[in-house]
Amino acid sequence: NAGVTQTPKFRVLKTGQSMTLLCAQDMNHEYMYWYRQDPGMGLRLIHYSVGEGTTAKGEVPDGYNVSRLKKQNFLLGLESAAPSQTSVYFCASSFGPLGSPLHFGNGTRLTVT
Amino acid sequence: SQKIEQNSEALNIQEGKTATLTCNYTNYSPAYLQWYRQDPGRGPVFLLLIRENEKEKRKERLKVTFDTTLKQSLFHITASQPADSATYLCALDNYTGRRALTFGSGTRLQVQP
Repeated sequence: NAGVTQTPKFRVLKTGQSMTLLCAQDMNHEYMYWYRQDPGMGLRLIHYSVGEGTTAKGEVPDGYNVSRLKKQNFLLGLESAAPSQTSVYFCASSFGPLGSPLHFGNGTRLTVT
Repeated sequence: SQKIEQNSEALNIQEGKTATLTCNYTNYSPAYLQWYRQDPGRGPVFLLLIRENEKEKRKERLKVTFDTTLKQSLFHITASQPADSATYLCALDNYTGRRALTFGSGTRLQVQP
């Protein structure tokens, strides 16, 4: 059981470049989430999904897009990277909504220069 | 506005003592409150969940209290060990709003041998 796997682990982008972060979970969880973590600001929700084919905006969605074409995968895209998107990105999944613990991946450290 | 506050200053304690971490919130009506541990370079790991109608929850050396009148949760680690050194995050589930957890920024605990 791998749990939640994020790829890549590290990435450096130039301003304006695009990239996709991949999250895969093998726990058959319905819910998946993308958070970003910045020093002193904690984890902030970017987008989330309550099931295959669905997505919803979180607290800080601007500049990001997501897709959940398969239940086990949740992709986070940056169409035109900006230095403000330098952060550590965490994917998580959970069995259900309220009261379900989140299972996190180990993050992707993204630097935009 | 909604806010979750955890002490941003690190908590330093001696091995064997009880560590107490605080999570305060405003303008939330959480159905559940969760605590996570995060080690450097890793994703958060779920520790404990407490429901709004529960006053206290225990798991081994961990204890969580939840006071919905004071809008506060306390997280205790008894007989602390250097291996308990990490950042501890609290997170709230709402009945209303987004179907996703909102996290505090965390408190770093350092247990000195």
